[in-house]
Amino acid sequence: ILNVEQSPQSLHVQEGDSTNFTCSFPSSNFYALHWYRWETAKSPEALFVMTLNGDEKKKGRISATLNTKEGYSYLYIKGSQPEDSATYLCAFLAPGGSRLTFGEGTQLTVNP
Amino acid sequence: EAQVTQNPRYLITVTGKKLTVTCSQNMNHEYMSWYRQDPGLGLRQIYYSMNVEVTDKGDVPEGYKVSRKEKRNFPLILESPSPNQTSLYFCASSPRLGLDGYGYTFGSGTRLTVV
Repeated sequence: ILNVEQSPQSLHVQEGDSTNFTCSFPSSNFYALHWYRWETAKSPEALFVMTLNGDEKKKGRISATLNTKEGYSYLYIKGSQPEDSATYLCAFLAPGGSRLTFGEGTQLTVNP
Repeated sequence: EAQVTQNPRYLITVTGKKLTVTCSQNMNHEYMSWYRQDPGLGLRQIYYSMNVEVTDKGDVPEGYKVSRKEKRNFPLILESPSPNQTSLYFCASSPRLGLDGYGYTFGSGTRLTVV
């Protein structure tokens, strides 16, 4: 079973703060890294799918970077808002892989 | 609307009583998968299907069965549910897993309690 680790487990920030969290994955045998946002009482929604080393993707105030050589990805949120409160999941796919392996997530709470 | 539909949303059942959780997608996706979510354990894959009539075990397949007779449907079957199968279940689909730019589309989840 592949090991995908996310840190921190939980995070509380104030509205307007910028924040970031980490996803670590096996650096060998990489194909793709996914990020999902999961709000309470809803289902996870895809944010980014990243495949190239050095990739950087952005959606509004949320961005992500990828380092496949060292096996990590960062998710950044600029100027956090209460509606950003959610659990952020990353998931790893190996080449020829048939399934995504998920980390346990980072639970973000943005206080107004 | 493109979506993955799971039913039921909530289910309380008794040990040993066979049940089926249905999953249907209207996006013509080839790949479908079932996950369970338990506190402190993250999303763990139960079964997946690469296409019609092609299914395989994930990380935690014991106690579950699936079938993929049509592209749109991927039901999860618990032949004899036990309390350790109490969990939140998600169905997900994708055009083709690994295809650049395509993540999973998740269903709304099924919260199952086995007493």
